[in-house]
Amino acid sequence: DTAVSQTPKYLVTQMGNDKSIKCEQNLGHDTMYWYKQDSKKFLKIMFSYNNKELIINETVPNRFSPKSPDKAHLNLHINSLELGDSAVYFCASSQGLGLAHYEQYFGPGTRLTVT
Amino acid sequence: GENVEQHPSTLSVQEGDSAVIKCTYSDSASNYFPWYKQELGKRPQLIIDIRSNVGEKKDQRIAVTLNKTAKHFSLHITETQPEDSAVYFCAASRANFGNEKLTFGTGTRLTIIP
Repeated sequence: DTAVSQTPKYLVTQMGNDKSIKCEQNLGHDTMYWYKQDSKKFLKIMFSYNNKELIINETVPNRFSPKSPDKAHLNLHINSLELGDSAVYFCASSQGLGLAHYEQYFGPGTRLTVT
Repeated sequence: GENVEQHPSTLSVQEGDSAVIKCTYSDSASNYFPWYKQELGKRPQLIIDIRSNVGEKKDQRIAVTLNKTAKHFSLHITETQPEDSAVYFCAASRANFGNEKLTFGTGTRLTIIP
């Protein structure tokens, strides 16, 4: 009955590889997000989607490509991984746009380590 | 864009005492200010929020105050308990049903000393 789930939970890979992180929500929400939390715990938005449409792209390198096959899924594909990509990536969802009205629910996070 | 500063970065208080975490924001158009709690190895979770049309909001042992003129807001936790130990994040947003986003502060690691 997990509301927002992510796979994998841990991902260790080498520089230059391409990897994907998957996110699914079973809350019937329209809006989904990807956040990056670095080693200093700083939490920063990367992307948001509403009904499969890209709303926010927060000047993220184009090595990062989000894909939303349907409202319940927002996957993150990362090409040519770099050491600086090591972080915890959180997916989140909310019922709709309108942050003051719809709470964001975070997934459990994916810890990506690039060696 | 919005910039949110948060202080202190670490805070230790005796169990039963109060804890206060402060944030300042730069965008005078920001009108929504949530607080998130992140326990070790867990996901961030919303604990309280405040909109710019009110100055204070309280929920049991936690309260948030907002000073729009000074552009700062604070989280107050009273009668602290060991389970309050976590990292707390403030955030700010222009909540206008557009391309809104939360800009987070840098976090405060709160430790409750039994």
